[in-house]
Amino acid sequence: QKEVEQNSGPLSVPEGAIASLNCTYSDRVSQSFFWYRQYSGKSPELIMSIYSNGDKEDGRFTAQLNKASQYVSLLIRDSQPSDSATYLCAVNPNSGNTPLVFGKGTRLSVIA
Amino acid sequence: EAQVTQNPRYLITVTGKKLTVTCSQNMNHEYMSWYRQDPGLGLRQIYYSMNVEVTDKGDVPEGYKVSRKEKRNFPLILESPSPNQTSLYFCASKPTGEETQYFGPGTRLLVL
Repeated sequence: QKEVEQNSGPLSVPEGAIASLNCTYSDRVSQSFFWYRQYSGKSPELIMSIYSNGDKEDGRFTAQLNKASQYVSLLIRDSQPSDSATYLCAVNPNSGNTPLVFGKGTRLSVIA
Repeated sequence: EAQVTQNPRYLITVTGKKLTVTCSQNMNHEYMSWYRQDPGLGLRQIYYSMNVEVTDKGDVPEGYKVSRKEKRNFPLILESPSPNQTSLYFCASKPTGEETQYFGPGTRLLVL
């Protein structure tokens, strides 16, 4: 059974701080990793994808991947109240059209 | 506008009354998928389709049927709904060879 684990939170950070969201996965051969943001009652929205070890930055977001430790994280710099949402980690165990495996999500609350 | 649409967005029904939730995408995507999302359980895949007339079970297919007669449409059918199928349902699509999934707005279903 392929699993993706996330701390459910809530993770509370003050406005302007760095929010750090973590995810571990069980399938060592996993190839692709994604972070989705989901506002309450809305559909998931892709914010970051990462495929190789190291960091990938996009604006205030940085995804970090460590395949040896089977660990992927998302850092949000200068957190804003509008970043308050649930963040879903998703892993593609193989490649191409195999179904994504989603974690249960971490709820982030940014306090103004 | 490129999008995935779902209908209805909200539905209240009674046990045993057959229902269909429609999903349509205008992006010519080959891959389409249905998920359900429940508190504490995250997003779980029900069925997916690689292309027209090709469907496969996901993690939680019991009690559901799908069909893929046309590329743009992927309806989810509940032949005899039960209260444990009360959930938030999402349809998603993506093109072959890419990994970014585009989600529909969701359908909130309550089965009494």
